Amino acid sequence: NAGVMQNPRHLVRRRGQEARLRCSPMKGHSHVYWYRQLPEEGLKFMVYLQKENIIDESGMPKERFSAEFPKEGPSILRIQQVVRGDSAAYFCASSAQGARGEQFFGPGTRLTVL
Amino acid sequence: GQNIDQPTEMTATEGAIVQINCTYQTSGFNGLFWYQQHAGEAPTFLSYNVLDGLEEKGRFSSFLSRSKGYSYLLLKELQMKDSASYLCAVRDIGAGGGNKLTFGTGTQLKVEL
Repeated sequence: NAGVMQNPRHLVRRRGQEARLRCSPMKGHSHVYWYRQLPEEGLKFMVYLQKENIIDESGMPKERFSAEFPKEGPSILRIQQVVRGDSAAYFCASSAQGARGEQFFGPGTRLTVL
Repeated sequence: GQNIDQPTEMTATEGAIVQINCTYQTSGFNGLFWYQQHAGEAPTFLSYNVLDGLEEKGRFSSFLSRSKGYSYLLLKELQMKDSASYLCAVRDIGAGGGNKLTFGTGTQLKVEL
């Protein structure tokens, strides 16, 4: 039973390029969460999605960042016009239930912006 | 908003017991989680408390007091592989259905011989 899958594991982008991070939740999970971890800092919530719906995006920067979880396929976190400050580890988690489900984390995507 | 405090680092000896404390302030408490995170890896789930009291799972136990906004993670019979960061996270009933986790900055535990 595969866990949460994220790809790519490492992503290098130059300033101004776009970054696309993918997350496939655990089988049977319909709730997806994205967190960002800056070097030497804790995990920060970004966005919570269910299939085709954004439930809570209170942690998303107002510009350049977007997320989706389509009916078919993985959840995508998209960062447009990346800047050096976007360099971080981006973790995806999934749960079977919303308000009561334990969240299982994927291995993360480490984004480096040159 | 929420505020979660835990010590930045701790050191303990192999075979000993260590207690990692976490205090929190939240407006709509809906559970407290402990995760373990080794450097460069994903957080892995250790324990979950939503009611007051002690939850035991093998060498790991977690305690919660909702009235005091306090939790601790107890690790027994420490092993070298327990050297990692331990993350306290609180879930609250907020906007969007209440499954957002707010994490502390983590306690870096170093186990020595």
